Amino acid sequence: GAGVSQSPSNKVTEKGKDVELRCDPISGHTALYWYRQSLGQGLEFLIYFQGNSAPDKSGLPSDRFSAERTGGSVSTLTIQRTQQEDSAVYLCASSFLGGSSYEQYFGPGTRLTVT
Amino acid sequence: TQLLEQSPQFLSIQEGENLTVYCNSSSVFSSLQWYRQEPGEGPVLLVTVVTGGEVKKLKRLTFQFGDARKDSSLHITAAQPGDTGLYLCAGWETSGSRLTFGEGTQLTVNP
Repeated sequence: GAGVSQSPSNKVTEKGKDVELRCDPISGHTALYWYRQSLGQGLEFLIYFQGNSAPDKSGLPSDRFSAERTGGSVSTLTIQRTQQEDSAVYLCASSFLGGSSYEQYFGPGTRLTVT
Repeated sequence: TQLLEQSPQFLSIQEGENLTVYCNSSSVFSSLQWYRQEPGEGPVLLVTVVTGGEVKKLKRLTFQFGDARKDSSLHITAAQPGDTGLYLCAGWETSGSRLTFGEGTQLTVNP
C-alpha cells in the first residue's frame, strides 16, 4: 500500500515568509509525528498527534511553529516568519497506534531552505 | 528529555571489514531502536530491542541492548557497499510518549 507522503519535497523561501508543510500518513494510522533533521544529524522531535487526544507540542522550538491534523488524517506543519535557522529537513512519521509497541513509518521529508 | 550519544559520528571502511557503532545514555529507555537512512529518504526501522541484555541478529547485523537498558551497539560483519548510509539509534523514553534520536553515524563502505 501507499506509504507516508510529504509535500512539497523541496521548499525555498525568503526569511520572514510563512510556509506550510503537508503530511499524508498511512491510511488507518492514528498516530502522527513531526521531526526536524539538520544536515547529516539525528532527528529532533517536534509534535505528536494521537487520535482525538490533545497533541504533545512539547518539542516545538518556538511559537512560530504550529501544526494541525484535520479529520485524524492529513497534517500541516506551519512555520511563521521563517528564520535561516529553520532550514532543515522536516520529516513526518505515522504508526498504527502511538507508543513504543508500534513501528513508525517515515515519509521522505520536506527540505526547507530559508534564504 | 533523555539524551543519546552515538559514536563514531563518521566511519569510512573497506568492503569486508567489521565495525561497531555505539549508542550511550545516562538514562534508562523502555526500548531502543536502530534505523538506517539513505539520502533523500526517511529512516527505516532495522530492529527494536526491549529487554536488557537482549541480542538480535539480522543477517550480518548484530544488535545488543545493555543490561541496564541505557546503551546499545550495532555490529556489522563483513561490511558491503550496500551498507552505506546514516545509522540512527533511538530510544523510547520511559514515559512511552516520545522517541529520542542519537546524532547518527554516517557509514561509508568503499569497494
